[in-house]
Amino acid sequence: EAQVTQNPRYLITVTGKKLTVTCSQNMNHEYMSWYRQDPGLGLRQIYYSMNVEVTDKGDVPEGYKVSRKEKRNFPLILESPSPNQTSLYFCASSSYLGGADTQYFGPGTRLTVL
Amino acid sequence: AQSVSQHNHHVILSEAASLELGCNYSYGGTVNLFWYVQYPGQHLQLLLKYFSGDPLVKGIKGFEAEFIKSKFSFNLRKPSVQWSDTAEYFCAVKGNNNDMRFGAGTRLTVKP
Repeated sequence: EAQVTQNPRYLITVTGKKLTVTCSQNMNHEYMSWYRQDPGLGLRQIYYSMNVEVTDKGDVPEGYKVSRKEKRNFPLILESPSPNQTSLYFCASSSYLGGADTQYFGPGTRLTVL
Repeated sequence: AQSVSQHNHHVILSEAASLELGCNYSYGGTVNLFWYVQYPGQHLQLLLKYFSGDPLVKGIKGFEAEFIKSKFSFNLRKPSVQWSDTAEYFCAVKGNNNDMRFGAGTRLTVKP
């Protein structure tokens, strides 16, 4: 089954404790992206990647890191989480055809930083 | 920088009513336009998208959207809503540099 998976689905942590949220897709998609969803703000793009070893900042990259060492994986790293990073995070992937490629979203990771 | 505006924060309709959700964007170049839907407790799913060609785009579940280039708009419509359409709807724009911008979302509540 074609899908995007994220782990963990729920995470409660404390300020300053490094964490990684994993994202994996099995569709051989070139394009992967991370978003955060906050009430009243919709989805805001954090980082995206056009292919292996190619990453770019989205709208709200501060406080986040990503890496794309393999095509299927795109982990999101919070080196020193802060309470304002409490949010619902979505990973998405799509086939980069240079056109209106559909993004497939993961189930989301709800992060709480105390 | 590109941006997306959705005019309505929360829309409440009765079943069988017609729906139109507004979406305007600001971007100077060629864009691809999308509407996504998020049902309660679920992740986002694509409703429809515009790439090129016919500006009237038909999507799943009876939804359609019209791209009006002169107005920078991509409004979502459905002639007759159902209770199962209760969800949050997001308009999104993808520009030439491949970054995506989403609107803040419109929550639709359909009363049975």
